[in-house]
Amino acid sequence: GEDVEQSLFLSVREGDSSVINCTYTDSSSTYLYWYKQEPGAGLQLLTYIFSNMDMKQDQRLTVLLNKKDKHLSLRIADTQTGDSAIYFCAESYNAGNNRKLIWGLGTSLAVNP
Amino acid sequence: ETGVTQTPRHLVMGMTNKKSLKCEQHLGHNAMYWYKQSAKKPLELMFVYNFKEQTENNSVPSRFSPECPNSSHLFLHLHTLQPEDSALYLCASSLRDTANTGELFFGEGSRLTVL
Repeated sequence: GEDVEQSLFLSVREGDSSVINCTYTDSSSTYLYWYKQEPGAGLQLLTYIFSNMDMKQDQRLTVLLNKKDKHLSLRIADTQTGDSAIYFCAESYNAGNNRKLIWGLGTSLAVNP
Repeated sequence: ETGVTQTPRHLVMGMTNKKSLKCEQHLGHNAMYWYKQSAKKPLELMFVYNFKEQTENNSVPSRFSPECPNSSHLFLHLHTLQPEDSALYLCASSLRDTANTGELFFGEGSRLTVL
């Protein structure tokens, strides 16, 4: 079945770049997403990329999509302590007449001063 | 008012209790969702409502009963729950239920503990 996989933990130093990786299985994905969940809060959409794009940049965030390898990454430049959170990768895929979201388990990013 | 508001934020209940979770959105969206978030599991979609009509029930046990009186309000009625139902229950909304863009707006969640 459809699956989204992420590494569970990442630790970086403040000011360094963070790269969070995600792999997915469904080749019919049209959109892929990165959501952020801060402690005690709900999920917040950070950015998304359409499957016909290779890259999307938004301020400190860069999303790279390798459709051949079904690999998605989120790079956070100049990582700050406020970036400490869980980052979820999700893909949107066709399920009959509907589109559904499949979620990864989330990558917990720890930013050390 | 913030976008999606959930109450209560924390709830502890016994297995024989009846309680309800409430969600309210002020974004003018037409679709609302209940998700269950448990440790070491992917986010689980429970129910979807689109224009007040239930469009999805992901084989959720009948001890969870959703209610959507209008496009702005969503409830999850709980009765005779089990300890394994302890989790963070997240409400979300979107403009409409097509998931074409998957842009969901989440509330902060209701942390449920079943004793």
